Amino acid sequence: GEDVEQSLFLSVREGDSSVINCTYTDSSSTYLYWYKQEPGAGLQLLTYIFSNMDMKQDQRLTVLLNKKDKHLSLRIADTQTGDSAIYFCAESIWETGGFKTIFGAGTRLFVKA
Amino acid sequence: GAVVSQHPSWVICKSGTSVKIECRSLDFQATTMFWYRQFPKQSLMLMATSNEGSKATYEQGVEKDKFLINHASLTLSTLTVTSAHPEDSSFYICSARKELFSTDTQYFGPGTRLTVL
Repeated sequence: GEDVEQSLFLSVREGDSSVINCTYTDSSSTYLYWYKQEPGAGLQLLTYIFSNMDMKQDQRLTVLLNKKDKHLSLRIADTQTGDSAIYFCAESIWETGGFKTIFGAGTRLFVKA
Repeated sequence: GAVVSQHPSWVICKSGTSVKIECRSLDFQATTMFWYRQFPKQSLMLMATSNEGSKATYEQGVEKDKFLINHASLTLSTLTVTSAHPEDSSFYICSARKELFSTDTQYFGPGTRLTVL
């Protein structure tokens, strides 16, 4: 079946790099996403990668995709206290009628000053 | 983990009719639920934040009168697409916010596919 898994917690020191990992099961994924959720707020799309790409960099964010292992990661360089949030990995897959999105359970990132 | 359900999982309707989508948190109470819509570029966009016992907060560009949201209880929020048109065809997904002491996370429903003919 379709499933997206993430580790639940990650703690880093301010200034270090954070790496959040995600695995998915459906090899027909088209887009893979990273969303950020701050307390009480809705999701904010951070970045996405198309399934035929291996890497995408956007300022402090680097997304790596290993299609063979169905593994997606998000690296945040120079992590700041403002990066403390929950990060959701998601994949879009095609089904009859259109795309649908499947989410992981989210990784809570704690940034220590 | 917490479970959020949506009903129906898919619906086909005629243009001009209204469609109601339900979002339920099955094993926890959610004072806040969020409604998202999947757009052509496949990313989700937040439509509105639904708060139990008060009016929903809509994001800019979302028509309140077209997308009616009612958060009637701590476990149920509904989204009604009124006078649906083909451009409303999309994948709608809800999430429910679970607060426990100092933690706060969202759990997502499986989504509802709406096709308007």
